Amino acid sequence: AQTVTQSQPEMSVQEAETVTLSCTYDTSESDYYLFWYKQPPSRQMILVIRQEAYKQQNATENRFSVNFQKAAKSFSLKISDSQLGDAAMYFCAYRSPQNSNSGYALNFGKGTSLLVTP
Amino acid sequence: DAGVIQSPRHEVTEMGQEVTLRCKPISGHNSLFWYRQTMMRGLELLIYFNNNVPIDDSGMPEDRFSAKMPNASFSTLKIQPSEPRDSAVYFCASSWSHNSYEQYFGPGTRLTVT
Repeated sequence: AQTVTQSQPEMSVQEAETVTLSCTYDTSESDYYLFWYKQPPSRQMILVIRQEAYKQQNATENRFSVNFQKAAKSFSLKISDSQLGDAAMYFCAYRSPQNSNSGYALNFGKGTSLLVTP
Repeated sequence: DAGVIQSPRHEVTEMGQEVTLRCKPISGHNSLFWYRQTMMRGLELLIYFNNNVPIDDSGMPEDRFSAKMPNASFSTLKIQPSEPRDSAVYFCASSWSHNSYEQYFGPGTRLTVT
């Protein structure tokens, strides 16, 4: 099974600053999907951004962007202009391709707790 | 549109009791997933269904856990008998299985077994 590693249990950033959350994964598959989910204290899992492995261009969603390094199996999330509402747990997740025997389930990392200070 | 609906949001029960968690996926979605979140193990897949058929139940901890999807709009996860180590947040998620890879999560059920 593919493993996802988030090496930073906690991160802190000041409001309006930029922070980068790290994620690495282990896979032998050449095509797959990567995601970042946000889980605020409400515990709702919210999709932040996704990346298809076959796309070389890094995904961007407003203040959120990723640095996808396929050869290094790295998928970091950059949050620009951090806001108080960005405080949450952030989970990196991996999903196998459509016809993989691994199925459609998401493999999650352990998460990074992001604190945003005024 | 309504998102994934889970009930109850909170459940407190005594060890040995039967617990049933419910999920209504987003209308039109044909894949449904049950995940469990604990501090020790993080988020892990329990089982998933495609077109109401269980595809992978390798994450179901043991025979005390069972899941059903009798139709496209309803699924249950049952624990019988419950144990304190089953205390966790249980999430249901749904997606289009063929052309989409995004999973939409429900609000979760926080289960406490005393």
